Order: sequence, then structure tokens, then C-alpha cells
Amino acid sequence: DAKTTQPPSMDCAEGRAANLPCNHSTISGNEYVYWYRQIHSQGPQYIIHGLKNNETNEMASLIITEDRKSSTLILPHATLRDTAVYYCIVRVAGWYTGTASKLTFGTGTRLQVTL
Amino acid sequence: DGGITQSPKYLFRKEGQNVTLSCEQNLNHDAMYWYRQDPGQGLRLIYYSQIVNDFQKGDIAEGYSVSREKKESFPLTVTSAQKNPTAFYLCASSISQGTSGYTFGSGTRLTVV
Repeated sequence: DAKTTQPPSMDCAEGRAANLPCNHSTISGNEYVYWYRQIHSQGPQYIIHGLKNNETNEMASLIITEDRKSSTLILPHATLRDTAVYYCIVRVAGWYTGTASKLTFGTGTRLQVTL
Repeated sequence: DGGITQSPKYLFRKEGQNVTLSCEQNLNHDAMYWYRQDPGQGLRLIYYSQIVNDFQKGDIAEGYSVSREKKESFPLTVTSAQKNPTAFYLCASSISQGTSGYTFGSGTRLTVV
């Protein structure tokens, strides 16, 4: 799986949009971009994933550049409860391999939302 | 509601003892995973299983063992051979194919005393 690079920490004011960048310059054509977050002492929570089109769900938006070498997770109106470590992961989808594929976690970005 | 249950939440073990961490899921997922997390670090893969009666070593399997006798269950045994077992252990599951993400349990914090 391709390696990802994320800033170690970011701050965001409550109510503002939080934009979390991720570089994945060695991503392959069949690798998806996944985002998870981990609130202190809990299991990671799936947020969103995408291949090449921008994606949006009730939690966040995912913007993937045209060359797919980087992406940005956007939390449109950050709240204090969004304070967490955010992980960007690239992974081959299971139907390419016929089997479950592993997720490799880096150290992520620690997002601190403040009043 | 479907989900993954890890038990116990906190576990203390004397040095030299084996201990088994439980992971049960009712999501009908084929694949299950065990990760270890140390303070300030990301998650590292210990073992994973794609189907019943099959499992593969992850990046840090030494000192650990698993079994997958039932689809719903994937217990992890931390053996006395694991030199630094104190950590936060996370279990996850996913469907084998498709693009859906993992579902994680709430974790077990193991402390060796």
C-alpha cells in the first residue's frame, strides 16, 4: 500500500471549516483513499473514502486532486467533539484482490478544535 | 445493533503469564484484524483473518497467537514471549470484498504488572 504523509498537528476554531491535508504521491490506480479518526482511548471511526471523485457524507467531504497524489478532508463546521487524531490511509479495494486488504496506519494529524 | 465487542476494557497481567483478549462481531463480516497501539503512535497490525480457520501474520506477530474457529470470534492471546505487552489492543472487522471501511471495537488496555 502507498505511504501517506500528514502534518502532525493542526488547530481549528469551533464553527470554522477544518481542512486536513494528506499526500499520497505513490498511490496506485486501484488504491482508494480512506479517512478515519480516533478520539482519545477509543477505536478508530471510519469517516469517508474515495477513488478519484470528490465525496461527501454526513460527516465530511473528501477532495482528491486530479492526479490523485494528494487529498483533503474537510469538516465543514468543526466542533469540540471533532478533536481527534485523523488518519489518511490508501488501500487496494478488496475486489481487486478477492480478499480483504490490510489498513496501514501512520501517526495521523492531531486536530485540536478550540473555542 | 451490530458492532464489535472487545472484552475486557482493562486487563492486568503478571509478567510471564499468557492472557487472551476477546473480540466478537455480529456484523457478518468475513475479515477480522488485531492491531496494537502504543502511546502517541499509530496502529500496528498483529494478525488478520480473511475467513474462518485461516489467519495471517501482520507486521508484529511475534509473541502473539490467534484462532478463528467461528466467523464471529477472533480471540488474541498475548503470550509470555511478547517482551513488551503493555499496550492498547484494537480489534476490527470488514467485508472481504468491496470498498467499505473497517469497523473497530472500543479496545482493551493491557497492563503488565
